[in-house]
Amino acid sequence: QSVLTQPPSVSGAPGQRVTISCTGGSSNIGAGYDVHWYQSLPGTAPKLLIYGNNNRPAGVPDRFSGSKSDTSASLAISGLQPEDEADYYCQSSDTSLSDLYVFGTGTKVTVL
Amino acid sequence: QVRLVESGGGVVQPGRSLRLSCAASGFSFSNYPMHWVRQAPGKGLEWVATISSDGTTLYYPDSVKGRFTVSRDNSKDTLYLQMNSLRVEDTAEYHCARTNAISTGPWFDPWGQGTLVSVSS
Repeated sequence: QSVLTQPPSVSGAPGQRVTISCTGGSSNIGAGYDVHWYQSLPGTAPKLLIYGNNNRPAGVPDRFSGSKSDTSASLAISGLQPEDEADYYCQSSDTSLSDLYVFGTGTKVTVL
Repeated sequence: QVRLVESGGGVVQPGRSLRLSCAASGFSFSNYPMHWVRQAPGKGLEWVATISSDGTTLYYPDSVKGRFTVSRDNSKDTLYLQMNSLRVEDTAEYHCARTNAISTGPWFDPWGQGTLVSVSS
């Protein structure tokens, strides 16, 4: 069960900036847990894109950035590239032991 | 190179069992908690199971509790998921993934490519 809410889709032309929101609640993002972001392409392993709200792993382009505030977070992609067309998921932890880790509903990014 | 490779997926009838494996390489497997995460066709990611580095602490969501059992063999660098009483809604790609901790808001990295489980009569 997805506990974090994301828009189903966002789109933009090459070079544009798009943002994806991730809305949670008081038991997850609002409880102070960090938010992480993943990029998912069909048939491949999900890839860590942002960890700890706003940190990029080695090799992730600096056009990807993250932020967090209160019970929500955002992923921004600046200078959109054709290879950025993929599904994106946010993830956090939760105070409920039966929902230890929670994911967003997922957002499809389309490069026009 | 850190690598996770899943195996054991397939087509199974409702009510039957299946065991998935995840072979780890490129890191000290026994030092890390491990997890299973699934993705149903056309759906989002769902956390399925967590096991501590020494295998003594286990966590499950309500959707699989009592039916799925996660285990590990640190001598073989391998993670397992025993799935019993399978349901049609368990149909999904199952990924194993690593974190650095369990309870401090960790992130999953890396992930395996996944193994497909299809539950159908």
